[in-house]
Amino acid sequence: DAGVTQSPTHLIKTRGQQVTLRCSPKSGHDTVSWYQQALGQGPQFIFQYYEEEERQRGNFPDRFSGHQFPNYSSELNVNALLLGDSALYLCASRGRRTGELFFGEGSRLTVL
Amino acid sequence: GENVEQHPSTLSVQEGDSAVIKCTYSDSASNYFPWYKQELGKRPQLIIDIRSNVGEKKDQRIAVTLNKTAKHFSLHITETQPEDSAVYFCAAAYSSASKIIFGSGTRLSIRP
Repeated sequence: DAGVTQSPTHLIKTRGQQVTLRCSPKSGHDTVSWYQQALGQGPQFIFQYYEEEERQRGNFPDRFSGHQFPNYSSELNVNALLLGDSALYLCASRGRRTGELFFGEGSRLTVL
Repeated sequence: GENVEQHPSTLSVQEGDSAVIKCTYSDSASNYFPWYKQELGKRPQLIIDIRSNVGEKKDQRIAVTLNKTAKHFSLHITETQPEDSAVYFCAAAYSSASKIIFGSGTRLSIRP
């Protein structure tokens, strides 16, 4: 079982650019959540996808958008990048029968 | 809004001693309280969780207590070992299926 996989692991962008991060959930999981973890902080909830629809959203601007595909994988898109978007972006998945969230190793985004 | 406060931010204990981390939450509708351990450069991993219908839960050297009236919950680690060194996050959610709000983390160091 590969667990939750994310790509890329590291990337560097400049202000104003756009970025797409990808996530494959753990086998058997159908719900994907995205979190932003700034250095020295706890993860902050961005949104959650289930059945290809955004089900819940945290306090993030519309520059943050996402998508879930029929195979349950997901993408996080961030437009018009700001320096403050630099963080570790964590994807987490869970199944319908269990509430335990399994996290991926994250994508570390640096905005210059 | 929803908020989880966590104390202390750093904690250093002698190997073999106990460590206690305390959290408070603001949303009285919260019913699910997971604790995550995050080692340096690694993903957060669930170590124990408790639901609101239970006041205490124990798993080997780890125990959690919950006081719903006071909106407090705590993590207790006994007989600490070097491998317990990590950042610990408390969290709260309406249910195990809903978005999870994390505390800011406690960096636990175990002195040999």
